[in-house]
Amino acid sequence: EAEVAQSPRYKITEKSQAVAFWCDPISGHATLYWYRQILGQGPELLVQFQDESVVDDSQLPKDRFSAERLKGVDSTLKIQPAELGDSAMYLCASSLALHGEVQETQYFGPGTRLLVL
Amino acid sequence: SQQGEEDPQALSIQEGENATMNCSYKTSINNLQWYRQNSGRGLVHLILIRSNEREKHSGRLRVTLDTSKKSSSLLITASRAADTASYFCATDADSNYQLIWGAGTKLIIKP
Repeated sequence: EAEVAQSPRYKITEKSQAVAFWCDPISGHATLYWYRQILGQGPELLVQFQDESVVDDSQLPKDRFSAERLKGVDSTLKIQPAELGDSAMYLCASSLALHGEVQETQYFGPGTRLLVL
Repeated sequence: SQQGEEDPQALSIQEGENATMNCSYKTSINNLQWYRQNSGRGLVHLILIRSNEREKHSGRLRVTLDTSKKSSSLLITASRAADTASYFCATDADSNYQLIWGAGTKLIIKP
């Protein structure tokens, strides 16, 4: 069964350093999501792509976070510089649903747990 | 902004008992989804119920939806130790088609 791949699984970094996370969605899924999940809370959408275009980044802290999906397949989320408050789980998901359509099932990767010291 | 709110925040039951979790939301929806998350892992989709449906089953799972009360419940029958996880509801508000998540119910099944 096809899965969403993410790497690394764990990342420890010092504040002010740069970090990057990678996601490879299920083949054929046009829509890709990056979420941040703080321990004990639900996922919070950071950015949504449809193919290579950003369709929603209203919750992305753009002063330090950036995301790209250059060829409309895999995606990278970057934080520069990292702050202590960025410690969280970063989840990637993909879906067949297109932007502006009724949301269908989202398929999640295993996540990257980030710890900023 | 948080659309769905799960209740209770935490639930601990004996193996073999039934577990019921509730989700309330604020605005009209197209559908409501339930997901499971094992500790430190990604979320796994369990079931999707559309706004014109009232009940749906999948194995030991039963989901109900009451759009007049803006609420849903997830029932897990004959619980097992492997059901220990956090359970999240997510709603697709019909105004902006975004999936909005609750804070989850942490379920512990005691052997």
